[in-house]
Amino acid sequence: NAGVTQTPKFQVLKTGQSMTLQCAQDMNHNSMYWYRQDPGMGLRLIYYSASEGTTDKGEVPNGYNVSRLNKREFSLRLESAAPSQTSVYFCASSGYRGYTEAFFGQGTRLTVV
Amino acid sequence: GESVGLHLPTLSVQEGDNSIINCAYSNSASDYFIWYKQESGKGPQFIIDIRSNMDKRQGQRVTVLLNKTVKHLSLQIAATQPGDSAVYFCAESGGSNYKLTFGKGTLLTVNP
Repeated sequence: NAGVTQTPKFQVLKTGQSMTLQCAQDMNHNSMYWYRQDPGMGLRLIYYSASEGTTDKGEVPNGYNVSRLNKREFSLRLESAAPSQTSVYFCASSGYRGYTEAFFGQGTRLTVV
Repeated sequence: GESVGLHLPTLSVQEGDNSIINCAYSNSASDYFIWYKQESGKGPQFIIDIRSNMDKRQGQRVTVLLNKTVKHLSLQIAATQPGDSAVYFCAESGGSNYKLTFGKGTLLTVNP
């Protein structure tokens, strides 16, 4: 039982490049989330998916797109990376309607130069 | 907009002391609250949660108190140990809104 798996763990991009961060969970959870964490800051919600087939914007969605590929997978895409998107990205999942704890992946450290 | 915030960004305690970490929330519709611990280089880990129909919930060495009147949440850690050193976040979720919103975090440092 791996929990929440994120790939890659580290990535360096040049400004304007695109990439997709992958996330998969094996806990049969309905809800999945993408957060970003900047130094000394809390986690800010980018997008979330309450259930398979639905996605909604969080606090900081600009510059990102998401895909809930199936119940297990929720990907985050940066179409044209900017230095302001340098951050640590965390994927999380939770079970019943957000009323259960969210489990987090180990994070993706992204640097945009 | 709605937010969850913390009163103290840093807290330093002696090993063996009790620690109290506070959190204020502003979304009156929030009805589920969670405390997370984040160690350096890792993702947040669940500590304890509480639903809005409760005022207090206890776990192993940890207690969460919820005061809905003043929209305040606290985490109490008994007999704090060096391994408790980490950043602690409160998070809230509300009703039909599945969003899980985090506060900025408190850095807890335990001195031996």
